[in-house]
Amino acid sequence: DTGVSQNPRHKITKRGQNVTFRCDPISEHNRLYWYRQTLGQGPEFLTYFQNEAQLEKSRLLSDRFSAERPKGSFSTLEIQRTEQGDSAMYLCASSQGGGRRTQYFGPGTRLLVL
Amino acid sequence: GQQVMQIPQYQHVQEGEDFTTYCNSSTTLSNIQWYKQRPGGHPVFLIQLVKSGEVKKQKRLTFQFGEAKKNSSLHITATQTTDVGTYFCAGPLGTSGSRLTFGEGTQLTVNP
Repeated sequence: DTGVSQNPRHKITKRGQNVTFRCDPISEHNRLYWYRQTLGQGPEFLTYFQNEAQLEKSRLLSDRFSAERPKGSFSTLEIQRTEQGDSAMYLCASSQGGGRRTQYFGPGTRLLVL
Repeated sequence: GQQVMQIPQYQHVQEGEDFTTYCNSSTTLSNIQWYKQRPGGHPVFLIQLVKSGEVKKQKRLTFQFGEAKKNSSLHITATQTTDVGTYFCAGPLGTSGSRLTFGEGTQLTVNP
């Protein structure tokens, strides 16, 4: 399968713990995006990378959130000191280029903070 | 801020009936993209519209981009149970034009 993959698919954690998610984009795609989706809502943009450079961050990305793409391939999204409000589906997408380029989504990581 | 709005939020139809969802942007879009998300699944790309007034068809699905490039619609003819899911429109808003801003989606249920 050459699509976008995400791990883990599900994560349950206690409030205050740190969690890290991984995204492997489609191999030839240079852009990688993180979105968050809560129940009944559309995905909300968090941040994106072009190769290893993080080019844009949303206001939603508080200082407890950090994302990296160290070698321009896979990316990690870390949430520190999780809160119950962080419970959501975290979606990763990739594209070859930006703007008009189609973004292909991975299956997501569903986070539940107890 | 820049927004993408979608109506209706929910639509229940009998199998065989038609379905339409409408999308409006607060600003002119360079393109609009449509995604389908099945229950428990992730958004799957359906189509991208770029030109003013563009109409594209995929089997029973017809997508339209408004003349002013601020609105779009998705019409499904003769719905089937496989059409069940949430349909999202999304436009590249923001300074970079790379972030997608999604509408809230229209959740379609089809009664057999």
